[in-house]
Amino acid sequence: AQSVSQHNHHVILSEAASLELGCNYSYGGTVNLFWYVQYPGQHLQLLLKYFSGDPLVKGIKGFEAEFIKSKFSFNLRKPSVQWSDTAEYFCAVKPYTGGFKTIFGAGTRLFVKA
Amino acid sequence: NAGVTQTPKFRVLKTGQSMTLLCAQDMNHEYMYWYRQDPGMGLRLIHYSVGEGTTAKGEVPDGYNVSRLKKQNFLLGLESAAPSQTSVYFCASSSSSGKYEQYFGPGTRLTVT
Repeated sequence: AQSVSQHNHHVILSEAASLELGCNYSYGGTVNLFWYVQYPGQHLQLLLKYFSGDPLVKGIKGFEAEFIKSKFSFNLRKPSVQWSDTAEYFCAVKPYTGGFKTIFGAGTRLFVKA
Repeated sequence: NAGVTQTPKFRVLKTGQSMTLLCAQDMNHEYMYWYRQDPGMGLRLIHYSVGEGTTAKGEVPDGYNVSRLKKQNFLLGLESAAPSQTSVYFCASSSSSGKYEQYFGPGTRLTVT
């Protein structure tokens, strides 16, 4: 079955530290890739997405992600986190074929200490 | 433009009671989805719809029913609530032209006692 794995369930960083959240998926075909963010008490919103082209994609608030096809990975990065980045981050994969379902990872809770 | 709205925001039910969650979107999206979010499990798809009058089962459909009588609305029903259905429920919508980027509602926190 198709699945999405997020390696870290909880991450604690100090402000200005660099962030990398891992995401791997199990699907051999073409995929659309997403990172969503859920700030405390808010609903999920799109952080960035990859459909095709440059495997390094930039999103809002200084986030970026790199698609490495050979590793089935789509890791999220930010060079310097802020307290306001405290949130839960979800990686999601939409296989190009096989219906309309998007598969979400379990999420990574990030806490940034001021 | 309100995006995706959900009612109610909070609800407490007793085991065996029924209720309906309403999702509405004003973006003319074709596709709509109901997810449940549980700690450590991410979002799991309950049911989805690819257009008015059509629905399909997702990953965890048991105990839920849905209807999409109008394009902008997607209803999720619990006929006989169970404590295992305590969760946060999110509705989402997307369009085919938007490459399946999903827009989420604010969520409904349901507790079944």
